Amino acid sequence: SSELTQDPAVSVALGQTVRITCQGDSLRSYYASWYQQKPGQAPVLVIYGKNNRPSGIPDRFSGSSSGNTASLTITGAQAEDEADYYCNSRDSSGNLVVFGGGTKLTVL
Amino acid sequence: EVQLVESGGGLVQPGGSLRLSCAASGFTVSSNYMSWVRQAPGKGLEWVSVIYSGGSTYYADSVKGRFTISRDNSKNTLYLQMNSLRAEDTAVYYCARVRVGFGELSFDPWGQGTLVTVSS
Repeated sequence: SSELTQDPAVSVALGQTVRITCQGDSLRSYYASWYQQKPGQAPVLVIYGKNNRPSGIPDRFSGSSSGNTASLTITGAQAEDEADYYCNSRDSSGNLVVFGGGTKLTVL
Repeated sequence: EVQLVESGGGLVQPGGSLRLSCAASGFTVSSNYMSWVRQAPGKGLEWVSVIYSGGSTYYADSVKGRFTISRDNSKNTLYLQMNSLRAEDTAVYYCARVRVGFGELSFDPWGQGTLVTVSS
Protein backbone atom coordinates (compact mmCIF):
# COMPACT_ATOMS: atom_id res chain seq x y z
CA SER A 1 0.00 0.00 0.00
CA SER A 2 1.04 3.61 -0.53
CA GLU A 3 1.58 6.32 2.06
CA LEU A 4 0.36 9.88 2.46
CA THR A 5 2.67 12.47 4.04
CA GLN A 6 1.52 15.57 5.94
CA ASP A 7 3.43 18.23 7.85
CA PRO A 8 2.98 17.51 11.58
CA ALA A 9 2.12 21.09 12.52
CA VAL A 10 1.14 24.35 10.87
CA SER A 11 0.17 27.71 12.33
CA VAL A 12 -1.80 30.65 10.97
CA ALA A 13 -2.71 34.09 12.24
CA LEU A 14 -6.39 34.70 12.87
CA GLY A 15 -8.10 35.76 9.65
CA GLN A 16 -5.22 34.77 7.40
CA THR A 17 -5.04 31.99 4.80
CA VAL A 18 -3.37 28.66 5.45
CA ARG A 19 -2.63 25.69 3.19
CA ILE A 20 -2.26 22.17 4.53
CA THR A 21 -0.66 19.67 2.15
CA CYS A 22 -0.77 15.92 1.64
CA GLN A 23 1.71 14.09 -0.61
CA GLY A 24 1.63 10.57 -1.98
CA ASP A 25 1.85 8.54 -5.16
CA SER A 26 -1.80 7.49 -4.94
CA LEU A 27 -2.80 11.15 -5.34
CA ARG A 28 -1.70 10.97 -8.97
CA SER A 29 -4.69 8.65 -9.53
CA TYR A 30 -7.17 9.54 -6.78
CA TYR A 31 -8.49 12.65 -5.09
CA ALA A 32 -7.76 13.27 -1.44
CA SER A 33 -10.51 13.76 1.11
CA TRP A 34 -9.96 15.92 4.18
CA TYR A 35 -11.17 15.62 7.78
CA GLN A 36 -11.16 17.94 10.76
CA GLN A 37 -10.83 16.42 14.22
CA LYS A 38 -11.10 18.37 17.44
CA PRO A 39 -9.96 16.93 20.80
CA GLY A 40 -12.22 14.19 22.09
CA GLN A 41 -14.41 14.22 18.98
CA ALA A 42 -14.84 12.04 15.93
CA PRO A 43 -13.42 13.27 12.62
CA VAL A 44 -15.65 15.34 10.36
CA LEU A 45 -15.41 15.33 6.56
CA VAL A 46 -14.69 18.84 5.25
CA ILE A 47 -13.61 18.28 1.61
CA TYR A 48 -14.13 15.38 -0.79
CA GLY A 49 -13.60 14.77 -4.47
CA LYS A 50 -12.19 17.46 -6.72
CA ASN A 51 -13.32 20.25 -4.34
CA ASN A 52 -16.64 19.48 -2.69
CA ARG A 53 -17.88 20.50 0.74
CA PRO A 54 -20.48 18.50 2.65
CA SER A 55 -23.53 20.38 3.85
CA GLY A 56 -22.71 22.61 6.80
CA ILE A 57 -19.01 23.06 6.05
CA PRO A 58 -18.10 26.77 5.65
CA ASP A 59 -16.98 27.93 2.24
CA ARG A 60 -13.67 29.12 3.65
CA PHE A 61 -12.57 25.47 3.28
CA SER A 62 -11.43 24.46 -0.21
CA GLY A 63 -9.39 21.71 -1.80
CA SER A 64 -7.04 21.44 -4.75
CA SER A 65 -4.61 18.97 -6.26
CA SER A 66 -1.53 18.98 -8.46
CA GLY A 67 0.56 15.96 -9.34
CA ASN A 68 1.17 13.94 -6.18
CA THR A 69 0.13 16.73 -3.81
CA ALA A 70 -3.32 17.61 -2.49
CA SER A 71 -3.99 20.76 -0.52
CA LEU A 72 -6.61 21.94 1.91
CA THR A 73 -6.87 25.73 2.05
CA ILE A 74 -8.62 27.69 4.79
CA THR A 75 -9.23 31.26 3.65
CA GLY A 76 -9.70 33.56 6.64
CA ALA A 77 -8.94 31.06 9.41
CA GLN A 78 -11.11 31.29 12.50
CA ALA A 79 -10.33 30.32 16.07
CA GLU A 80 -12.72 27.37 15.77
CA ASP A 81 -10.64 25.96 12.90
CA GLU A 82 -7.88 24.99 15.35
CA ALA A 83 -7.85 21.20 15.08
CA ASP A 84 -6.08 18.20 13.61
CA TYR A 85 -6.55 17.72 9.88
CA TYR A 86 -6.19 14.40 8.07
CA CYS A 87 -6.17 13.49 4.40
CA ASN A 88 -7.04 10.12 2.91
CA SER A 89 -7.35 8.46 -0.48
CA ARG A 90 -7.59 5.05 -2.03
CA ASP A 91 -4.20 3.39 -2.20
CA SER A 92 -2.53 2.64 -5.51
CA SER A 93 -4.32 -0.74 -5.80
CA GLY A 94 -7.68 1.00 -5.53
CA ASN A 95 -9.10 -1.40 -2.95
CA LEU A 96 -7.37 -0.28 0.21
CA VAL A 97 -7.39 3.08 1.96
CA VAL A 98 -4.59 5.22 3.33
CA PHE A 99 -4.56 8.16 5.72
CA GLY A 100 -1.98 10.85 6.15
CA GLY A 101 -0.33 11.23 9.54
CA GLY A 102 -2.29 14.38 10.32
CA THR A 103 -1.49 18.10 10.66
CA LYS A 104 -2.10 20.01 13.87
CA LEU A 105 -3.33 23.48 12.97
CA THR A 106 -2.80 26.27 15.48
CA VAL A 107 -4.65 29.58 14.99
CA LEU A 108 -2.65 32.39 16.58
CA GLU B 1 -30.98 11.91 10.59
CA VAL B 2 -28.05 9.77 9.52
CA GLN B 3 -26.34 8.34 12.60
CA LEU B 4 -23.86 5.64 13.59
CA VAL B 5 -23.51 4.30 17.13
CA GLU B 6 -20.67 1.95 18.04
CA SER B 7 -20.60 -0.42 20.99
CA GLY B 8 -18.68 -3.44 22.24
CA GLY B 9 -15.39 -1.89 23.22
CA GLY B 10 -13.64 -2.67 26.47
CA LEU B 11 -10.62 -4.21 28.14
CA VAL B 12 -9.36 -7.52 26.75
CA GLN B 13 -6.24 -9.55 27.36
CA PRO B 14 -3.62 -10.08 24.66
CA GLY B 15 -4.66 -12.99 22.46
CA GLY B 16 -8.31 -12.44 23.28
CA SER B 17 -11.29 -11.59 21.09
CA LEU B 18 -13.88 -8.84 20.92
CA ARG B 19 -16.75 -7.98 18.59
CA LEU B 20 -17.61 -4.38 17.86
CA SER B 21 -21.04 -3.32 16.64
CA CYS B 22 -22.12 -0.23 14.74
CA ALA B 23 -25.85 0.43 14.60
CA ALA B 24 -26.93 2.66 11.73
CA SER B 25 -30.02 4.82 11.42
CA GLY B 26 -31.25 7.07 8.65
CA PHE B 27 -29.80 4.93 5.85
CA THR B 28 -29.37 1.28 4.84
CA VAL B 29 -26.03 -0.33 5.68
CA SER B 30 -26.32 -3.00 2.98
CA SER B 31 -26.73 -0.37 0.24
CA ASN B 32 -23.54 1.41 1.18
CA TYR B 33 -19.85 0.77 1.54
CA MET B 34 -19.02 0.75 5.26
CA SER B 35 -15.68 0.92 7.01
CA TRP B 36 -13.82 0.77 10.31
CA VAL B 37 -11.09 3.26 11.16
CA ARG B 38 -9.07 3.28 14.38
CA GLN B 39 -7.01 5.78 16.31
CA ALA B 40 -4.45 4.74 18.90
CA PRO B 41 -4.14 7.07 21.91
CA GLY B 42 -2.46 10.29 20.85
CA LYS B 43 -1.90 8.99 17.31
CA GLY B 44 -3.38 9.52 13.87
CA LEU B 45 -6.16 7.76 12.00
CA GLU B 46 -5.56 4.28 10.62
CA TRP B 47 -7.92 2.61 8.17
CA VAL B 48 -8.82 -0.95 9.24
CA SER B 49 -11.36 -2.50 6.89
CA VAL B 50 -14.12 -1.92 4.35
CA ILE B 51 -17.12 -3.92 3.18
CA TYR B 52 -18.63 -3.09 -0.19
CA SER B 53 -22.36 -3.10 -0.83
CA GLY B 54 -21.83 -6.23 -2.92
CA GLY B 55 -20.17 -7.96 0.03
CA SER B 56 -16.50 -7.80 -0.92
CA THR B 57 -14.21 -7.10 2.03
CA TYR B 58 -10.71 -5.64 2.33
CA TYR B 59 -8.35 -5.22 5.25
CA ALA B 60 -5.25 -3.30 6.25
CA ASP B 61 -2.17 -5.52 6.36
CA SER B 62 -1.92 -4.92 10.13
CA VAL B 63 -5.21 -6.74 10.82
CA LYS B 64 -5.57 -9.12 7.87
CA GLY B 65 -6.24 -12.67 9.03
CA ARG B 66 -7.22 -11.53 12.54
CA PHE B 67 -10.17 -9.16 11.99
CA THR B 68 -13.40 -9.82 10.10
CA ILE B 69 -15.85 -7.17 8.94
CA SER B 70 -19.48 -8.17 8.41
CA ARG B 71 -23.01 -6.80 8.51
CA ASP B 72 -26.49 -7.91 9.54
CA ASN B 73 -28.96 -6.47 7.06
CA SER B 74 -31.97 -7.27 9.27
CA LYS B 75 -30.45 -5.24 12.11
CA ASN B 76 -28.91 -2.57 9.86
CA THR B 77 -25.70 -3.09 11.80
CA LEU B 78 -22.02 -3.36 10.92
CA TYR B 79 -19.63 -5.56 12.91
CA LEU B 80 -15.91 -6.02 13.43
CA GLN B 81 -14.82 -9.35 14.88
CA MET B 82 -11.36 -8.97 16.34
CA ASN B 83 -9.33 -12.06 17.21
CA SER B 84 -5.76 -12.63 18.41
CA LEU B 85 -5.69 -9.10 19.80
CA ARG B 86 -2.38 -7.42 20.46
CA ALA B 87 -1.35 -4.43 22.57
CA GLU B 88 -0.89 -2.42 19.38
CA ASP B 89 -4.59 -2.89 18.58
CA THR B 90 -5.44 -0.58 21.49
CA ALA B 91 -7.37 2.31 19.96
CA VAL B 92 -10.66 4.07 19.57
CA TYR B 93 -12.51 2.29 16.79
CA TYR B 94 -14.80 4.33 14.57
CA CYS B 95 -17.28 3.05 12.05
CA ALA B 96 -18.07 5.24 9.08
CA ARG B 97 -20.20 5.23 5.98
CA VAL B 98 -18.09 5.34 2.86
CA ARG B 99 -18.82 7.88 0.16
CA VAL B 100 -17.55 6.70 -3.23
CA GLY B 101 -17.28 8.94 -6.24
CA PHE B 102 -15.23 9.36 -9.37
CA GLY B 103 -11.66 8.95 -8.23
CA GLU B 104 -12.41 9.42 -4.57
CA LEU B 105 -13.36 7.61 -1.40
CA SER B 106 -14.29 9.43 1.78
CA PHE B 107 -15.91 8.75 5.14
CA ASP B 108 -19.10 10.50 6.19
CA PRO B 109 -20.54 10.34 8.73
CA TRP B 110 -18.51 8.81 11.54
CA GLY B 111 -19.73 7.23 14.74
CA GLN B 112 -18.62 8.51 18.12
CA GLY B 113 -16.10 5.68 18.53
CA THR B 114 -15.61 2.86 21.01
CA LEU B 115 -12.40 2.29 22.97
CA VAL B 116 -10.64 -1.06 22.82
CA THR B 117 -7.84 -1.63 25.32
CA VAL B 118 -5.64 -4.71 24.98
CA SER B 119 -3.71 -5.27 28.18
CA SER B 120 -3.01 -7.91 30.78
